[in-house]
Amino acid sequence: AQTVTQSQPEMSVQEAETVTLSCTYDTSESDYYLFWYKQPPSRQMILVIRQEAYKQQNATENRFSVNFQKAAKSFSLKISDSQLGDAAMYFCAYRRGGANSKLTFGKGITLSVRP
Amino acid sequence: GAVVSQHPSRVICKSGTSVKIECRSLDFQATTMFWYRQFPKQSLMLMATSNEGSKATYEQGVEKDKFLINHASLTLSTLTVTSAHPEDSSFYICSVSGRGLTYEQYFGPGTRLTVT
Repeated sequence: AQTVTQSQPEMSVQEAETVTLSCTYDTSESDYYLFWYKQPPSRQMILVIRQEAYKQQNATENRFSVNFQKAAKSFSLKISDSQLGDAAMYFCAYRRGGANSKLTFGKGITLSVRP
Repeated sequence: GAVVSQHPSRVICKSGTSVKIECRSLDFQATTMFWYRQFPKQSLMLMATSNEGSKATYEQGVEKDKFLINHASLTLSTLTVTSAHPEDSSFYICSVSGRGLTYEQYFGPGTRLTVT
């Protein structure tokens, strides 16, 4: 069975600084996808970034980037130039390849941003 | 991405009654919809996966007779909590997947259910 581990329950970052959120996963599949979702206080789940396992290049979306270490099964999220609006719960998620397969979520991490 | 709505956003019901939550995919044909439950400051727990026109697949430990799921069309899935009890109070979220969304799931805004 696939598992996703987020071992840090909380983190804090100073506004404008950089923070890295950690995630590890376990799978025997070769075809899979990894995601980071953001859940602000409104509780609306927002896709932040995705990574296809077959791609060696790390995904980047504006201030958000990932460090995907396939051999180590590690998938960390780096937030640069942190903003107050980045404060939220962040969930790492795994999905195996194939149409409409389900997501497996980590426990999440609460990120606070200090002004 | 897909736009997903849920109705109602909040509902309060009395113990023993049933409540229906709707999940609509507004601009996308959702061949698959997922229903999650989330307690405060916890992760999303998948309850069931529903494919349009067929019976839902429930996760282990989820009572299918208590949480009835219907996915009658490509744009609508419903979750009915039958004979609700206070312990069913939670935040329920749906998500959609399907043609054109090869990788992602897109989520509805959630429904807060309170059973008194």
